[in-house]
Amino acid sequence: EAGVAQSPRYKIIEKRQSVAFWCNPISGHATLYWYQQILGQGPKLLIQFQNNGVVDDSQLPKDRFSAERLKGVDSTLKIQPAKLEDSAVYLCASSFEGRSIFGSGTQLSVL
Amino acid sequence: DQQVKQNSPSLSVQEGRISILNCDYTNSMFDYFLWYKKYPAEGPTFLISISSIKDKNEDGRFTVFLNKSAKHLSLHIVPSQPGDSAVYFCAASPNAGNMLTFGGGTRLMVKP
Repeated sequence: EAGVAQSPRYKIIEKRQSVAFWCNPISGHATLYWYQQILGQGPKLLIQFQNNGVVDDSQLPKDRFSAERLKGVDSTLKIQPAKLEDSAVYLCASSFEGRSIFGSGTQLSVL
Repeated sequence: DQQVKQNSPSLSVQEGRISILNCDYTNSMFDYFLWYKKYPAEGPTFLISISSIKDKNEDGRFTVFLNKSAKHLSLHIVPSQPGDSAVYFCAASPNAGNMLTFGGGTRLMVKP
């Protein structure tokens, strides 16, 4: 079974620039999550999708972060404009029967 | 407000001995608890879970214990192996594994 695919693996940008991350979940998984993991901390949930609808985005900083899952499969997470404190690993996970499977993440460095 | 806490940032254990990783939570709405293992440059990998209706769940060398009254859970690894060296995250959910709240992680080092 293919896992959760994320790209790019690494991204380095300057503050105030924009960046986008892509996630392809496991086939058939209706639920998709984006997490932010800052160095030395546990992952923090940003947004949950069920098919192409948002279930919870209460922890997403909506002034600069946006996410979409237009066809209920792939998802993108965008940051515009980026700040230094956005440096983190962005993890995508898809879920089936209560078990979340994580991708390898995108490591973002904002300089 | 940290709803899930892992108070030990690191733990060192000799190969063959028991590893005990601890986790505390504050939110009474949590009813499903999971442990994930993470190697460098990889995403977290599911290890074991427990529902609040149970106080113990076992899977091979891994056992999770839940004490609801104390809002405490622990992961026991017996016997510990060098390949178990990783960061372990405790996570909690109010509804069967969705919308996980993670602890800060404990780095386990198993020495040969």
